Amino acid sequence: GDSVTQMEGPVTLSEEAFLTINCTYTATGYPSLFWYVQYPGEGLQLLLKATKADDKGSNKGFEATYRKETTSFHLEKGSVQVSDSAVYFCALSRYSGGSNYKLTFGKGTLLTVNP
Amino acid sequence: NAGVMQNPRHLVRRRGQEARLRCSPMKGHSHVYWYRQLPEEGLKFMVYLQKENIIDESGMPKERFSAEFPKEGPSILRIQQVVRGDSAAYFCASSPPLGETQYFGPGTRLLVL
Repeated sequence: GDSVTQMEGPVTLSEEAFLTINCTYTATGYPSLFWYVQYPGEGLQLLLKATKADDKGSNKGFEATYRKETTSFHLEKGSVQVSDSAVYFCALSRYSGGSNYKLTFGKGTLLTVNP
Repeated sequence: NAGVMQNPRHLVRRRGQEARLRCSPMKGHSHVYWYRQLPEEGLKFMVYLQKENIIDESGMPKERFSAEFPKEGPSILRIQQVVRGDSAAYFCASSPPLGETQYFGPGTRLLVL
């Protein structure tokens, strides 16, 4: 079945440091890939997505490139801020018929950014 | 445009009671997904519904759990005779017809005493 493996946290960085959170996936067919962010006590917010190989998703300074050859979708940001502290989830969706795009999530990576 | 609404945000139940979780999708969205997040785990798919139809319930426990999405009103996730292992955050997400991207609600955090 489909699966998503994320780098285990927690990750602790200083403000303005470079961020990478690794994500690899296993899936048949051609899934779409997503990064969601969850702030404490809140729901998930879509951060970025990519729907086909070599696509780059980007938003708020975060980027991730869909690499089919390595089945990866690593999240990067050049300079993190304290406000980026949150849990980051990598996910994939694969069409299952009947307009069903259920998501398969990784376990999440807790990021803490210190001033 | 209001986002996905879920209520209650927090729910406390004693073992054996029933829990009803509600989800109102975004305006224009007719597809609803329910996910469960156990402590320190990722989200796990439970069920996918369209108006008046359950399309995929492959992630739902076989007993005590049920879901509906009536023609009028919110989607309901119902858990009968709750046990401590049901304590989790339950999230719903909605998407438009033929749309792939899902938009999540704030979740309901269920605590079973």
